[in-house]
Amino acid sequence: GEDVEQSLFLSVREGDSSVINCTYTDSSSTYLYWYKQEPGAGLQLLTYIFSNMDMKQDQRLTVLLNKKDKHLSLRIADTQTGDSAIYFCAERQGNQGGKLIFGQGTELSVKP
Amino acid sequence: DGGITQSPKYLFRKEGQNVTLSCEQNLNHDAMYWYRQDPGQGLRLIYYSQIVNDFQKGDIAEGYSVSREKKESFPLTVTSAQKNPTAFYLCASSMRYNTEAFFGQGTRLTVV
Repeated sequence: GEDVEQSLFLSVREGDSSVINCTYTDSSSTYLYWYKQEPGAGLQLLTYIFSNMDMKQDQRLTVLLNKKDKHLSLRIADTQTGDSAIYFCAERQGNQGGKLIFGQGTELSVKP
Repeated sequence: DGGITQSPKYLFRKEGQNVTLSCEQNLNHDAMYWYRQDPGQGLRLIYYSQIVNDFQKGDIAEGYSVSREKKESFPLTVTSAQKNPTAFYLCASSMRYNTEAFFGQGTRLTVV
């Protein structure tokens, strides 16, 4: 199968950490990505991780990859109201000619 | 400025008419993609192209057609055969394989 699954909603308070989770099914995936979408706009790449890595940190963002469980997470430290958006997980499938498959998106709501 | 441009931002179509959405990139990317976004369903792949004069169907190609006559351009035609065309359409491009995709700002199509 080609499914990428995410929970649909997450609500946090300003200053807390947010953790957005994603599961995927294709074990041949090479790269996994996190994108952010603000209302009415296109998708903005936040970060990505290669499939032979366990963790990647980029300022307030930490990506964790558990390849055995096919589980990816995005942690946002010190979440701000400007982080409110929809976050998409995506996988680049290695045996599908580089096809890029997205999850349903997680809507993050940050309350002051 | 380098980037990927979709036009128009908003498009209205009468039932039974074909309509073409434009996508142009000046990033010298080989691969281009069209996605459809509906609320709560994330992004679904319509068509993708890895190289000029070649393209493949995605998961929901029925009722859509594309062409890739130039590297910079990947127009999408929504035909009258598409039963539920009202949606937000996103175009993306990337280097050939295993790199991140960059997105345009989207076209919102409404059938009236």
